[in-house]
Amino acid sequence: QVQLAQSGAEVKKPGDSVKVSCKASGYTFTNYAIHWVRQAPGQRLEWMGWINVGNGNTKSSQRFQAKVTITRDTSATTAYLELNSLTSEDTAIYYCARESEWFAAFDIWGQGTMVSVSS
Amino acid sequence: QSALTQPASVSGSPGQSITISCTGISSDVGVHNYVSWYQQHPGKAPKLMIYDVSNRPSGVSNRFSGSKSGNAASLTISGLQPEDEADYYCTSYTSNSPWVFGGGTKVTV
Repeated sequence: QVQLAQSGAEVKKPGDSVKVSCKASGYTFTNYAIHWVRQAPGQRLEWMGWINVGNGNTKSSQRFQAKVTITRDTSATTAYLELNSLTSEDTAIYYCARESEWFAAFDIWGQGTMVSVSS
Repeated sequence: QSALTQPASVSGSPGQSITISCTGISSDVGVHNYVSWYQQHPGKAPKLMIYDVSNRPSGVSNRFSGSKSGNAASLTISGLQPEDEADYYCTSYTSNSPWVFGGGTKVTV
């Protein structure tokens, strides 16, 4: 079964960093890009960035460029989203999503990881 | 890159049809046919409903259909059912961002 399984909820303090993982199973990991999408409480979805899992190239939204680092470990079939210098505004659910064989559509989603930032 | 514009809410009675609009600009919806739609129930991850403007993935009901005209895309839900009550988001590949989501539309049945 094709799925993305994300790491558990995190509670962090302002200024901390956090690394969210997204483990893929049921398909050839290197054949599909992984995207990261954020959803603050009660807010819309926001595209953060993506990684070409095959070659490791990444691109992030201008809004999040200074905030995120996206990586992958092909041997572990896992993609990662690291957020630095956390503030309360980073409190959100973070989703990973697979870009399907149909370009620019996200067909498989992780269950989401809640990151809470509070002093 | 600003969000694509969607109505905040749309409502309909069971069995009716509703349409959700998604308005962009010439560098996103207007030039690319890479518009997709997602359904999100409360507390759940989004689910792909439409890709490439009007195509349905396997398993998605044919009550869901998509279209595009100029800078605006639309999602139509026909034969509205209680389980269709959810938030719906459009997204488009863009020449700049390169992906942008709409603001989301709450559908009430």
